[in-house]
Amino acid sequence: DTAVSQTPKYLVTQMGNDKSIKCEQNLGHDTMYWYKQDSKKFLKIMFSYNNKELIINETVPNRFSPKSPDKAHLNLHINSLELGDSAVYFCASSHGITNEKLFFGSGTQLSVL
Amino acid sequence: DAKTTQPPSMDCAEGRAANLPCNHSTISGNEYVYWYRQIHSQGPQYIIHGLKNNETNEMASLIITEDRKSSTLILPHATLRDTAVYYCIVRAPGMNQGGKLIFGQGTELSVKP
Repeated sequence: DTAVSQTPKYLVTQMGNDKSIKCEQNLGHDTMYWYKQDSKKFLKIMFSYNNKELIINETVPNRFSPKSPDKAHLNLHINSLELGDSAVYFCASSHGITNEKLFFGSGTQLSVL
Repeated sequence: DAKTTQPPSMDCAEGRAANLPCNHSTISGNEYVYWYRQIHSQGPQYIIHGLKNNETNEMASLIITEDRKSSTLILPHATLRDTAVYYCIVRAPGMNQGGKLIFGQGTELSVKP
């Protein structure tokens, strides 16, 4: 069983489109995250949710809207996609908001054309 | 969070120990040292963490100097599957922005046959 699973693995779309990336964890964790890895391989946090409540929002454009329907899911919706949004997006989870031991998914490679 | 410095790349022969250094001279008393790695096309993977004592688990050993200004991650018998980018992260737990890991450039370890 995959602990943190993301879909889709690859996403190719045109500028201006709206797309979603889904994330699910079966670890029983109550905290989930979205990280972004750019073309230079820098990995940076975007959002964190604890018990469905937004905790961290790292000055991400409001075209990015995370949604947590329950503790096991954290989806990322992106409106009006731009070329600069091309990156690999990683979902992660942890047991508690103060726990720095994160479990990451395998990533979603987003390409905006 | 304290800044970390790692060599950009290292080579290691298969079957030998891989010793990955990390400098964190500005580390505070309550900050832990965490190690993650990212194998190509995968999400980051937690390896180990420690405060001041040396730590060992099934993946690696972590040696922290007495003054805590540097540490070494040891993979005792490196295999080709250990080829990855290794990240040293310093972080104080219990902060209200838990899970906000600052990934630097890391060390790209190449294990060669």
